[in-house]
Amino acid sequence: QQQVKQSPQSLIVQKGGISIINCAYENTAFDYFPWYQQFPGKGPALLIAIRPDVSEKKEGRFTISFNKSAKQFSLHIMDSQPGDSATYFCAAAWGTASKLTFGTGTRLQVTL
Amino acid sequence: NAGVTQTPKFQVLKTGQSMTLQCAQDMNHNSMYWYRQDPGMGLRLIYYSASEGTTDKGEVPNGYNVSRLNKREFSLRLESAAPSQTSVYFCASTKDRGDTEAFFGQGTRLTVV
Repeated sequence: QQQVKQSPQSLIVQKGGISIINCAYENTAFDYFPWYQQFPGKGPALLIAIRPDVSEKKEGRFTISFNKSAKQFSLHIMDSQPGDSATYFCAAAWGTASKLTFGTGTRLQVTL
Repeated sequence: NAGVTQTPKFQVLKTGQSMTLQCAQDMNHNSMYWYRQDPGMGLRLIYYSASEGTTDKGEVPNGYNVSRLNKREFSLRLESAAPSQTSVYFCASTKDRGDTEAFFGQGTRLTVV
């Protein structure tokens, strides 16, 4: 049973465009929602994270939007750049980074 | 800063062979984890160690064993490899269970034929 569902599986965006990746979770006990970025041949690295006491968190060009009632959260990448081309994973956990439950990943390609 | 180091980076095993994947971190972190990454399935937790001397099962522990050798090192052992264990394995660490950022190694790509 996939506790964190992620879509789309792949995404192609033009340079300067907005990339949007969506995730939905089932377990209402989750209270920590990070996004990880993974480049080919590398391990995932934390990009940005949010807790459900806020509806939005922004760090530079990256924004997480969180809808607690719908049990959904999304990553928005503004002014997407070719260097953003990577696989993005949403995740969820109880309170900490331990025992992360990951989504299935979205492969983002930003074209010139 | 090395961070989290995994060895080997690549490995091919025959069905039934055994091997140990090594992981070491130099960040003085208390908690360490092993995940496997498969296409279309994201990363799934195999085992974790909240602190030195403790280990617990994750989502997919069958066919694996772990050893928390000391605070720095956390190894994953496949006693009798199966083709279903073909995957990319990632070790990760957090400062402690209350920390909010997991640091991952570069992965071990394992193929079982």
